[in-house]
Amino acid sequence: AQKITQTQPGMFVQEKEAVTLDCTYDTSDPSYGLFWYKQPSSGEMIFLIYQGSYDQQNATEGRYSLNFQKARKSANLVISASQLGDSAMYFCAMREGKSSGDKLTFGTGTRLAVRP
Amino acid sequence: NAGVTQTPKFRILKIGQSMTLQCAQDMNHNYMYWYRQDPGMGLKLIYYSVGAGITDKGEVPNGYNVSRSTTEDFPLRLELAAPSQTSVYFCASSYAILYGYTFGSGTRLTVV
Repeated sequence: AQKITQTQPGMFVQEKEAVTLDCTYDTSDPSYGLFWYKQPSSGEMIFLIYQGSYDQQNATEGRYSLNFQKARKSANLVISASQLGDSAMYFCAMREGKSSGDKLTFGTGTRLAVRP
Repeated sequence: NAGVTQTPKFRILKIGQSMTLQCAQDMNHNYMYWYRQDPGMGLKLIYYSVGAGITDKGEVPNGYNVSRSTTEDFPLRLELAAPSQTSVYFCASSYAILYGYTFGSGTRLTVV
């Protein structure tokens, strides 16, 4: 079974509107962390936001927020007031438990295009 | 600037050739990783290291080798390159997972 599932291969959003990128995960470990990364066309990987499984509140970082629904095992990324520079590939990732190495498992990504 | 430095940025290899992808970080991070990203796909872990002298296999280690003799460096060796190893390779490091990985800019490798 996929550990991280991103069901939206591509999405469009109008500039200045909000957009939600979906991510569901699968783990039986009570301790885990969820991440979102942005990959612009230039190729670099940019860390956006982190949510720990024991965090009581949803994580926020500027225009990015993570809608964490633990019972549904979802960790959707919400981008508010979209900008043209938000056009990129977005990856959801998960770290499980306290195993050595803090390894991340990535989803297949969602390509977001922001329309002017 | 502090960060993760990967070299080379681009490389074309012929089938059967070997090469080493270099990765260096100057943040004193213990954890380092090598991922590959195939076109239109997410990242898959090749090898990782939790400190100098300690390495372990990830999800897709076949055809690769690593070493970690210092905290700073984590080279990835490709032996007998195959077309299936055509990919973009990312090196990353972390101090504590709460802050996410710091990624290098990637190496685009083509095997022909």
